[in-house]
Amino acid sequence: DVKVTQSSRYLVKRTGEKVFLECVQDMDHENMFWYRQDPGLGLRLIYFSYDVKMKEKGDIPEGYSVSREKKERFSLILESASTNQTSMYLCASSLPVGGIGYTFGSGTRLTVV
Amino acid sequence: AQSVSQHNHHVILSEAASLELGCNYSYGGTVNLFWYVQYPGQHLQLLLKYFSGDPLVKGIKGFEAEFIKSKFSFNLRKPSVQWSDTAEYFCAVTSGGNNRLAFGKGNQVVVIP
Repeated sequence: DVKVTQSSRYLVKRTGEKVFLECVQDMDHENMFWYRQDPGLGLRLIYFSYDVKMKEKGDIPEGYSVSREKKERFSLILESASTNQTSMYLCASSLPVGGIGYTFGSGTRLTVV
Repeated sequence: AQSVSQHNHHVILSEAASLELGCNYSYGGTVNLFWYVQYPGQHLQLLLKYFSGDPLVKGIKGFEAEFIKSKFSFNLRKPSVQWSDTAEYFCAVTSGGNNRLAFGKGNQVVVIP
C-alpha cells in the first residue's frame, strides 16, 4: 500500500519557535506538496517541489520555507512560529504527469501557543 | 491563477435523500478535475477524477460527477446518501499541463440517520 507519512499527528509549539514538519513518501514520486487546511478556506498550497533540491512557492508561502534534499522527503519549516500558523498541515505527492492525482498524508495538526 | 468555487459550504440532509454538490472553475483551457473526500478524522481520499472522454464519471461509493465544459462545472452527485457519507468534500482542478492542484473551499455534508 503506497504511503505518504507525516512524522507527527499533533504538535504544540510556542510562538517564536522554529518548527519542522516532515513528510516521507515511498512511491518514488517526483512531485511533493505542502498544504494547510483551515475550516471554510479549503486547502491552500504553501510550497511544492518538482524534484530534489527544487522548490516553488505556492499561494501562501509567507512565513514558511521548505527543504527537499532527498526525493522521498519534503520538509516544511516555520522559521518563527506564530499563532496564525495554527492549522492542519497536509503533505501530498504525485507523479510528474499532470492530473494523475495526489496521495495525501494523514496531516499534522499544529497548535502554536 | 486557477480558482475553484464550491457553494453551500454546509449541507444537511436525511438518509436516502439525493445529494448534488456544485463545482465551478475558472480556467478556460484543458483541465483535469477531481473530487476528494475527507471522512471525520481521516485523510483525504480520491473519490473520482476526470481527464478526458465520457463527461459522466463514476467514482467509488456510488458517487458520480458530470463535466460540463460550457459551464466550467464538475458537479458531484449521489442519488441516495447514507449516514456514512457524512464528510467534507473538495473539488480540485489542475490546468495548463501543470500538476498543481487548486482546491475549492469544500462542502461539509452531514447525513442524518
